[in-house]
Amino acid sequence: DAGVIQSPRHEVTEMGQEVTLRCKPISGHNSLFWYRQTMMRGLELLIYFNNNVPIDDSGMPEDRFSAKMPNASFSTLKIQPSEPRDSAVYFCASTYSPGTTSFGQGTRLTVV
Amino acid sequence: AQSVTQPDIHITVSEGASLELRCNYSYGATPYLFWYVQSPGQGLQLLLKYFSGDTLVQGIKGFEAEFKRSQSSFNLRKPSVHWSDAAEYFCAVGPSNDYKLSFGAGTTVTVRA
Repeated sequence: DAGVIQSPRHEVTEMGQEVTLRCKPISGHNSLFWYRQTMMRGLELLIYFNNNVPIDDSGMPEDRFSAKMPNASFSTLKIQPSEPRDSAVYFCASTYSPGTTSFGQGTRLTVV
Repeated sequence: AQSVTQPDIHITVSEGASLELRCNYSYGATPYLFWYVQSPGQGLQLLLKYFSGDTLVQGIKGFEAEFKRSQSSFNLRKPSVHWSDAAEYFCAVGPSNDYKLSFGAGTTVTVRA
């Protein structure tokens, strides 16, 4: 089991550019989460999918953020256009039941 | 709404000493409670979890936590810390019928020789 795989691990981009973060959940897990971690706000849940369907996107900060899960083995989080305040570590996590949530190693995004 | 409070932002402990990290939660029903550890540059790793039953739960790396309903607490303990325990620790709460977790702000543990 390779765990939750996120790419890239690090991303540096210029303000105004589009950024796409990718996630491959653990096979068999039917729920997927995107979290954002910052010093100021800690860990925030951005969006949550169950069986590839978005269940709760109330944490998505604004329209610049979008997430998709076209199939059970892949999800993307897109920011367009990116802003410096989007700089954070973005985590993807997956689970099949409460207490089995596994986290990826995160993508550190820096927007300059 | 569910929420988690970790009162201690940073704790420094000597290697070999005991460690206790505090966690208080707010939730309307019986919660699922979790402790995660995050080493620098890494994702979160589950240390232990409480769903029901025995209020003292054992986890990995020699950690344990005690659920106290009357105090709405779920404190994490380790009798003797190792330098490798230096990390950030997060308490989390989730409902029994959903997978969403709410995390505390985290406690950073520094271990001095």
